[in-house]
Amino acid sequence: GAVVSQHPSWVICKSGTSVKIECRSLDFQATTMFWYRQFPKQSLMLMATSNEGSKATYEQGVEKDKFLINHASLTLSTLTVTSAHPEDSSFYICSAPYNEQFFGPGTRLTVL
Amino acid sequence: KQEVTQIPAALSVPEGENLVLNCSFTDSAIYNLQWFRQDPGKGLTSLLLIQSSQREQTSGRLNASLDKSSGRSTLYIAASQPGDSATYLCAVQSGAGSYQLTFGKGTKLSVIP
Repeated sequence: GAVVSQHPSWVICKSGTSVKIECRSLDFQATTMFWYRQFPKQSLMLMATSNEGSKATYEQGVEKDKFLINHASLTLSTLTVTSAHPEDSSFYICSAPYNEQFFGPGTRLTVL
Repeated sequence: KQEVTQIPAALSVPEGENLVLNCSFTDSAIYNLQWFRQDPGKGLTSLLLIQSSQREQTSGRLNASLDKSSGRSTLYIAASQPGDSATYLCAVQSGAGSYQLTFGKGTKLSVIP
């Protein structure tokens, strides 16, 4: 199957700093990628749809100015959590479609 | 708005048992349904994908069924093994043109040796 990677796999940062998470499709091109957030014992919740060549589409309740998404190329989307706070601590997972959805391994963000 | 529910939230079985995980969804107008496995702190591994026109899919010891009209799917695991211990997630894709998935909260399975 197709492979999606994420970097970093985990990150710890201080409150108020910004953190960038990368999502790459390794062996296929993706004009669309998806970013999910998963809190402990909760399901994956779609945050936004990343679109190559246009602005990202955010789900209701997700602050676009806080979670900046850039679909830099057909194989790379980045999610930047700006001015991170402890409540942003979560597991962030991206996915890219290639006939079906393929998910990255996730990034564990801990904000102190 | 599509909602996906998984029952039970957690399940513990002895090794070798057959088991069934349940998934229900509120809007039967789905494009496909997918079962995933998630190990602690890890990403998702796709297990089975059932198109809306299909009734079931099988892969090894796993069998997934879909009853779209009643909004239900089941994942059957035969002869469970300790390595099957993980959280199993059900997700539905509502439209052909959109790859957005709606997930259930998952069933945490523990297979006791």
